[in-house]
Amino acid sequence: TQLLEQSPQFLSIQEGENLTVYCNSSSVFSSLQWYRQEPGEGPVLLVTVVTGGEVKKLKRLTFQFGDARKDSSLHITAAQPGDTGLYLCAGWGSSNTGKLIFGQGTTLQVKP
Amino acid sequence: DARVTQTPRHKVTEMGQEVTMRCQPILGHNTVFWYRQTMMQGLELLAYFRNRAPLDDSGMPKDRFSAEMPDATLATLKIQPSEPRDSAVYFCASGPLTGVNTGELFFGEGSRLTVL
Repeated sequence: TQLLEQSPQFLSIQEGENLTVYCNSSSVFSSLQWYRQEPGEGPVLLVTVVTGGEVKKLKRLTFQFGDARKDSSLHITAAQPGDTGLYLCAGWGSSNTGKLIFGQGTTLQVKP
Repeated sequence: DARVTQTPRHKVTEMGQEVTMRCQPILGHNTVFWYRQTMMQGLELLAYFRNRAPLDDSGMPKDRFSAEMPDATLATLKIQPSEPRDSAVYFCASGPLTGVNTGELFFGEGSRLTVL
């Protein structure tokens, strides 16, 4: 069974601070995705990383896929209150009919 | 503006009652997933379909849950009989996926189920 472990589960920081969220597994994934979820809504895709070692940037967010394609990280620089939300990593299984499984999520609160 | 539509948005029922949740995927999407979200377990995969065929429902309690896609515009998740431990937010998601597992899933707003 493929599992994704996210850490930390909760993070409360001041505006302007940097933070990193980790997503780890013992399994290899075809790709890893990061979603963000607001209260009362479904998750929305932020990014997909496919190649081992790949780094993608989305404004102040930097996403990295581990060389072995088993882990990923999300780094936010100079966090803003608008970054507050639930961040979820998700991995696509490697088979042709692979499924998308999610980590537990990291709840981020950025205080002004 | 294409989106996944789920009904009902909220449902309160009593233990033992049947509950049916419905999902209209985005037109043209060939893959539909059902997830359940709770504080304790996070987002759990219940079942998913590709081109209306069920691929995996190993995440569902088989004795009480069933998932179907009677046509390309409708997916249903049924619980019978419902139990208090089924209380959760149920999400449907669809995607225009091919054999390469990198595609984006588009989520509905969820159906919040409370079983008393």
